[in-house]
Amino acid sequence: DTEVTQTPKHLVMGMTNKKSLKCEQHMGHRAMYWYKQKAKKPPELMFVYSYEKLSINESVPSRFSPECPNSSLLNLHLHALQPEDSALYLCASRESSGRAAGELFFGEGSRLTVL
Amino acid sequence: QKEVEQNSGPLSVPEGAIASLNCTYSDRGSQSFFWYRQYSGKSPELIMSIYSNGDKEDGRFTAQLNKASQYVSLLIRDSQPSDSATYLCAVRPSNNAGNMLTFGGGTRLMVKP
Repeated sequence: DTEVTQTPKHLVMGMTNKKSLKCEQHMGHRAMYWYKQKAKKPPELMFVYSYEKLSINESVPSRFSPECPNSSLLNLHLHALQPEDSALYLCASRESSGRAAGELFFGEGSRLTVL
Repeated sequence: QKEVEQNSGPLSVPEGAIASLNCTYSDRGSQSFFWYRQYSGKSPELIMSIYSNGDKEDGRFTAQLNKASQYVSLLIRDSQPSDSATYLCAVRPSNNAGNMLTFGGGTRLMVKP
């Protein structure tokens, strides 16, 4: 079982809806990530939080809004999405320092469909 | 120019054979290398990490790193149908901005019974 928990596992929403994806980890990791993955493509980085502060935003449209309420939680707020935003959204976490800091642990993902 | 390259496959091997997955990278200063396995519709799972030149073995998996040739590979011995998945090579670049990983496009492995 993954130690990074994502909810919901599946989400269907219309283009005018507002919804949120949630991610939780209890490994004490201080860096958390949102990735987007389309079919047959590698994960594409969206946001990085380090010590609860947004450190990287990979030019993601403002209809995606991340939030890190504390060191264990990461949210992705969704509003006015487009059908092309349909994808698997992956949350990941890692240790913040040391050689193993590159080792990302992924949640099971939230599969989003935008109608 | 892609920074991490993998053959997309599919790579088809018979059950019991050795599967050899290859990855090249462009950043000569990269220090950390990872292999992730991803089953269809599932999330990536870390299976190997390697930091030094040479081989690293873990069960049926062996990761090989050659920094001079900028090449990392994953060998799967005694391949099983359950090994059928996409294998993602990931590299931590030398500039290490935010500890981001650069992923290759993945190689799809099919192990036939």
